[in-house]
Amino acid sequence: QVQLQESGPGLVKPSGTLSLTCAVSGGSISSSNWWSWVRQPPGKGLEWIGEIYHSGSTNYNPSLKSRVTISVDKSKNQFSLKLSSVTAADTAVYYCARADAMGLEFLYWGQGTLVTVSS
Amino acid sequence: DIQMTQSPSSLSASVGDRVTITCRASQGIRNDLGWYQQKPGKAPKRLIYAASSLQSGVPSRFSGSGSGTEFTLTISSLQPEDFATYYCLQHNSYPFTFGPGTKVDIK
Repeated sequence: QVQLQESGPGLVKPSGTLSLTCAVSGGSISSSNWWSWVRQPPGKGLEWIGEIYHSGSTNYNPSLKSRVTISVDKSKNQFSLKLSSVTAADTAVYYCARADAMGLEFLYWGQGTLVTVSS
Repeated sequence: DIQMTQSPSSLSASVGDRVTITCRASQGIRNDLGWYQQKPGKAPKRLIYAASSLQSGVPSRFSGSGSGTEFTLTISSLQPEDFATYYCLQHNSYPFTFGPGTKVDIK
């Protein structure tokens, strides 16, 4: 059973860069799957940020594309999110997620991590 | 982007009620749609995939239907543990987009 675990700073200063990592267990990051980030501002809905394949291919939400970088580290079986030039509007719970074996999104989710943007 | 709308945005219902939530896509998405349940402080949980397939382990009172642009999630007999927020997700084209959610609470 695939398990995902997000980690990273819970507080980021405005104009700084948000950095999170998703550790994958129970499966290989090199499997035939795309690995995604999804976020949810407090009390609001869900927003897909982007995804990465183990080859390094990425797809990003155009609304965030200029500020987002998703990368993969196969040696550590994990993938990462960087979001630059953050503002208070980027305060959210950030989830990593993955599709099921048929490639249908999203079956597996991390527990989520709250990142607050504040000075 | 494909816009997803949901109706209603919230509803109050009693245990045992039949509940139907509708999700509409701004353009056709075949059956590339999932339904999720989210409880406070928890990650979303997938209930339905491919618009009408019940996720393993999910009670059979949940069902999904639809194709193209209009989809429904039905809870045939609402149980106390079903009070939550429900989201649809389209993964037909990028960027993937979620509906705004439907909050189901106790009448």
